[in-house]
Amino acid sequence: DAGITQSPRYKITETGRQVTLMCHQTWSHSYMFWYRQDLGHGLRLIYYSAAADITDKGEVPDGYVVSRSKTENFPLTLESATRSQTSVYFCASRVVLAPPNEQFFGPGTRLTVL
Amino acid sequence: DAKTTQPNSMESNEEEPVHLPCNHSTISGTDYIHWYRQLPSQGPEYVIHGLTSNVNNRMASLAIAEDRKSSTLILHRATLRDAAVYYCILSPSGNTGKLIFGQGTTLQVKP
Repeated sequence: DAGITQSPRYKITETGRQVTLMCHQTWSHSYMFWYRQDLGHGLRLIYYSAAADITDKGEVPDGYVVSRSKTENFPLTLESATRSQTSVYFCASRVVLAPPNEQFFGPGTRLTVL
Repeated sequence: DAKTTQPNSMESNEEEPVHLPCNHSTISGTDYIHWYRQLPSQGPEYVIHGLTSNVNNRMASLAIAEDRKSSTLILHRATLRDAAVYYCILSPSGNTGKLIFGQGTTLQVKP
């Protein structure tokens, strides 16, 4: 099925390790987004991308790196994981057309940093 | 970014209508009003959006006040599957599509 997928769905890592979360969408949507959701809170935007090779910071970018060499993929890397980055990470995408800004979200990756 | 205010939680009985309020007194003329919901252990999903006029779709209705400082999401007949966190979000037209999520309203539906 076409859609937006994330991998892995669950990840446990240790402080200081590098972790990469993958996001793949099959719609060829121009815009892609990474959010994090901490327990009991709403989502916060980490990074977003308007197209391949175009990325920009969101509300909480510190400690994260993104790249977008292909339209369909938008990996998020934690270069040196910290306990405060324990969270559920959601990827999303949308078309570039005029409003509405309907975003399609992936199922999430639950990351635990020990 | 203009902010929204929603009640933390609401309860409803199954098969009854639910009115979820949202205040956005600092809304600008180009801000769209979006509603997303998040079912337990899932990513958010789009519900409905509007600019000035009331809107209906298969999931819900959106009633927008004439001055646009508030809006109400209406679920006409709540089901147990509608139990979720509902987010009211403002997003300017023509922007990158960034969504700023607040705390949302947790809706409980009782059988």
